[in-house]
Amino acid sequence: DVKVTQSSRYLVKRTGEKVFLECVQDMDHENMFWYRQDPGLGLRLIYFSYDVKMKEKGDIPEGYSVSREKKERFSLILESASTNQTSMYLCASSFHRGYTFGSGTRLTVV
Amino acid sequence: RKEVEQDPGPFNVPEGATVAFNCTYSNSASQSFFWYRQDCRKEPKLLMSVYSSGNEDGRFTAQLNRASQYISLLIRDSKLSDSATYLCVVTLNSGGYQKVTFGIGTKLQVIP
Repeated sequence: DVKVTQSSRYLVKRTGEKVFLECVQDMDHENMFWYRQDPGLGLRLIYFSYDVKMKEKGDIPEGYSVSREKKERFSLILESASTNQTSMYLCASSFHRGYTFGSGTRLTVV
Repeated sequence: RKEVEQDPGPFNVPEGATVAFNCTYSNSASQSFFWYRQDCRKEPKLLMSVYSSGNEDGRFTAQLNRASQYISLLIRDSKLSDSATYLCVVTLNSGGYQKVTFGIGTKLQVIP
């Protein structure tokens, strides 16, 4: 089975901090995605990548950036964390059909 | 109109009941359809793909109605363990990429 690993399950950061969320997949998938999930809003796509060093904006990229230096690793960066970025962050990997998600990182910005 | 719409529920049903969820999508060019299950505080996991001819997996049946632009999920003989949020997912090829849109999910609570 594909495994998608997110480095942290829970994080608490202060407003203004730079935050790195790491995601690693072990099945050589080209496609990787970062979502955030909020009650009543569902999953919203932040950024995605279809290849190394390639990135595309999703629906809500503002305040975020990403890095894909290696195929297996896709990092989400919050340049200056704000309280409205408190959310569940989910990384996903895919090949043709269907996603495999990581277990999520619940980020709280205080 | 939202690209993918689901009734958020919750649907509270007794054990053994049959329950059905619908999900409507706005773009008639949408190509692939899926149902995901998400347990509380866990990540979504693929439950089943949805094919034009309909497909069944044990107690679960998924159907696609392209004319009316909706997909459905039917759960027969509900179990307590079916309690979860069910997300519908619709994909569309757009600008050379596959755009994937998730519904907000329908919460199911199966009651003893």
